[in-house]
Amino acid sequence: AQSVAQPEDQVNVAEGNPLTVKCTYSVSGNPYLFWYVQYPNRGLQFLLKYITGDNLVKGSYGFEAEFNKSQTSFHLKKPSALVSDSALYFCAVRDGGSNYKLTFGKGTLLTVNP
Amino acid sequence: NAGVTQTPKFQVLKTGQSMTLQCAQDMNHNSMYWYRQDPGMGLRLIYYSASEGTTDKGEVPNGYNVSRLNKREFSLRLESAAPSQTSVYFCASNIHFSQGWEKLFFGSGTQLSVL
Repeated sequence: AQSVAQPEDQVNVAEGNPLTVKCTYSVSGNPYLFWYVQYPNRGLQFLLKYITGDNLVKGSYGFEAEFNKSQTSFHLKKPSALVSDSALYFCAVRDGGSNYKLTFGKGTLLTVNP
Repeated sequence: NAGVTQTPKFQVLKTGQSMTLQCAQDMNHNSMYWYRQDPGMGLRLIYYSASEGTTDKGEVPNGYNVSRLNKREFSLRLESAAPSQTSVYFCASNIHFSQGWEKLFFGSGTQLSVL
């Protein structure tokens, strides 16, 4: 079975400060990891993914994520937060050898204060 | 650039009523999905269709049925709605890349209340 944990329901940061949204995962094989973002009253949008290669992956809107195999983590980061980054962020995982069913975390609400 | 289109956007049902949520994608994707989103629960997969003519159960299929009408359309039916089915429902399709991964594209959701 595969699972994802997002330990923080909510993260608050000031505009211009760095932000981190945490994610840990459990999967039996090689992990395929994803971050999706949901803006109010919208469906989810793809941000970035890790499947292999460099542990630091870059995605849309200046976001990046760091894959750490030993800690089974895939934290989302951004060096300088914008108010417009305020949204609900979901981490997702699947076993790289399995079919295409993703398991999503519960989501973390990011609020960036002006 | 319609992407994934869901109808209706809002619906209120009484317990025991039935309804069908419609979903269509214009991106020629093979796979389509139905998720429900509940506070504190994240997204949970109800049913998916890996290709036209096939459907499979996800995590929470009880109380739902699906139909993959053609490559574009994937509908979700509630035969006898229950208050526990009050949720936001998302349809999605995905594109598979040659490197072996996929990207999901989501509709804007259907907010369903069952009284």
